[in-house]
Amino acid sequence: EAGVTQSPTHLIKTRGQQATLRCSPISGHTSVYWYQQALGLGLQFLLWYDEGEERNRGNFPPRFSGRQFPNYSSELNVNALELEDSALYLCASSLGADTQYFGPGTRLTVL
Amino acid sequence: SQQGEEDPQALSIQEGENATMNCSYKTSINNLQWYRQNSGRGLVHLILIRSNEREKHSGRLRVTLDTSKKSSSLLITASRAADTASYFCATEINAGNNRKLIWGLGTSLAVNP
Repeated sequence: EAGVTQSPTHLIKTRGQQATLRCSPISGHTSVYWYQQALGLGLQFLLWYDEGEERNRGNFPPRFSGRQFPNYSSELNVNALELEDSALYLCASSLGADTQYFGPGTRLTVL
Repeated sequence: SQQGEEDPQALSIQEGENATMNCSYKTSINNLQWYRQNSGRGLVHLILIRSNEREKHSGRLRVTLDTSKKSSSLLITASRAADTASYFCATEINAGNNRKLIWGLGTSLAVNP
């Protein structure tokens, strides 16, 4: 069974640009979570989507947004990129409660 | 704000030794989960222990949960070089009608051959 996949693996952008990150959950999983892991910091929760709806949102500005598609895959969009947005962005999926299964992450570098 | 806090921040041991990492939290939880992350990659789920459980085992891993002290420990026995990774605890709490995972900053474990 394929795990959670994310694309791209690496993304380099300049300040002010927009970044789009993609995530495909494990087949059958309806929930997708996005996390930011900046250097030296723990995982910071960004967004949770379930059945196409945004269920919860972390303490991030509105320029961080996303959506979940009918096939449960998800996109994370970051507008007006800032240098401090450079981080590893992790996507996880789950079916119902409990265990989250993580993808390998997208390394975003903002120059 | 409520957060899982791991202790120690970093741990360096020799192969074959046991490694113990601790996690403390502040509010009531539904469950506590331990994850491993190898070198800036995705996280791998290790063990989930529910609030009404006190101990769980999985291979060389043993997790305990003390809800009175709001703490958990992860013990890795007979460590191997391949155990070198960062270990995170995450506590699941109820947040209104939703549930939320609160993550700690992790413990960096180095197992030296």
